[in-house]
Amino acid sequence: SQQGEEDPQALSIQEGENATMNCSYKTSINNLQWYRQNSGRGLVHLILIRSNEREKHSGRLRVTLDTSKKSSSLLITASRAADTASYFCATDKGAQKLVFGQGTRLTINP
Amino acid sequence: DTEVTQTPKHLVMGMTNKKSLKCEQHMGHRAMYWYKQKAKKPPELMFVYSYEKLSINESVPSRFSPECPNSSLLNLHLHALQPEDSALYLCASSPRQGPTGGVSDTQYFGPGTRLTVL
Repeated sequence: SQQGEEDPQALSIQEGENATMNCSYKTSINNLQWYRQNSGRGLVHLILIRSNEREKHSGRLRVTLDTSKKSSSLLITASRAADTASYFCATDKGAQKLVFGQGTRLTINP
Repeated sequence: DTEVTQTPKHLVMGMTNKKSLKCEQHMGHRAMYWYKQKAKKPPELMFVYSYEKLSINESVPSRFSPECPNSSLLNLHLHALQPEDSALYLCASSPRQGPTGGVSDTQYFGPGTRLTVL
């Protein structure tokens, strides 16, 4: 069964704008990861945030985690055309496997 | 070398064919994974190998048969597939199956094999 639900399913913005994607999950987790997938390709790990962390940064990426609300957000600042991709959150419940959310399809318009 | 390679990139097969997908990594990772991904859907876990032993089978039909000949290689043998098995098959690896110290490892994905079953 899928653990994460992502919102929105699709997002289209202009280059240079910020993009925010949200992920909600149902049960307690050890950590949450975000991955990017360019069309028809493999997934690339972006960032991992532990359950005892609230915010993490990596370059233009900012991830927050609210365990009380069982939700996470991924913010991409100053978007570029190359950021066009699908973005998935993945949760680890300690069951030795990741469960991926439904994903957000992000389109950056030039 | 931080790459996971998969061959072939594309595969078209009939329902009576036998074929194999191959995955290779040289990062010294001891956990390897097979995922199936349908269009516009998230990856779904199929199998996990940890230290060359099958540790998770997500109730995958027996027409899919995984094999881990050594710590660098992972195969997926296909036989008598159905058209609904057409999908992108992704291989991934991680240092350990995890969690370690309460934090699971990042997974490194290959580019996938696009499988079409006629």
